[in-house]
Amino acid sequence: NAGVTQTPKFRVLKTGQSMTLLCAQDMNHEYMYWYRQDPGMGLRLIHYSVGEGTTAKGEVPDGYNVSRLKKQNFLLGLESAAPSQTSVYFCASTKTMDTSYSNQPQHFGDGTRLSIL
Amino acid sequence: RKEVEQDPGPFNVPEGATVAFNCTYSNSASQSFFWYRQDCRKEPKLLMSVYSSGNEDGRFTAQLNRASQYISLLIRDSKLSDSATYLCVVTLTGTASKLTFGTGTRLQVTL
Repeated sequence: NAGVTQTPKFRVLKTGQSMTLLCAQDMNHEYMYWYRQDPGMGLRLIHYSVGEGTTAKGEVPDGYNVSRLKKQNFLLGLESAAPSQTSVYFCASTKTMDTSYSNQPQHFGDGTRLSIL
Repeated sequence: RKEVEQDPGPFNVPEGATVAFNCTYSNSASQSFFWYRQDCRKEPKLLMSVYSSGNEDGRFTAQLNRASQYISLLIRDSKLSDSATYLCVVTLTGTASKLTFGTGTRLQVTL
């Protein structure tokens, strides 16, 4: 059981280039998330999805786009990369809320380290 | 004020020591609480959920004080393998399980 898989693991881009980060989960989770982690800032939510075909903005969505065409995949796109987007990106997924209405913990992929020169 | 605040540390403790971390959160509507562990350059991993009545998992004990809006994590008999950053995490009910992370508290256990 692979859990949450992110590709690529590392990437170096030049300013202005575009790229797509792929997140795949095999746990049939409804909810998926993209975070970025920067030193001293903690993890911050970029975009999230509560189901196939739906996406929503998180705390820091500017400069990113996402798509959830299939339930198991959540793509994060950078249309025109900027040095400020140098970061470690984590994807996560979780089930919907359980019957006790307590939120479920999230399962994380092992991250994508992205450097923009 | 940050939504979730933690002392960044580092906490340097000898093996076998007991160490406690606190975390405060600003939104009184926060509903679910977790402690995650993150090793250097790795993904966060769930350590334990935090329940209102307090809960224990082996050497780890988590407490929640809703009135004061703080969460604690106690680690007894520290092991070298406990060295990591501990992230305090909260969510609001009905927010699609969106997590709000503290910046983490770094623990270094030494011989």
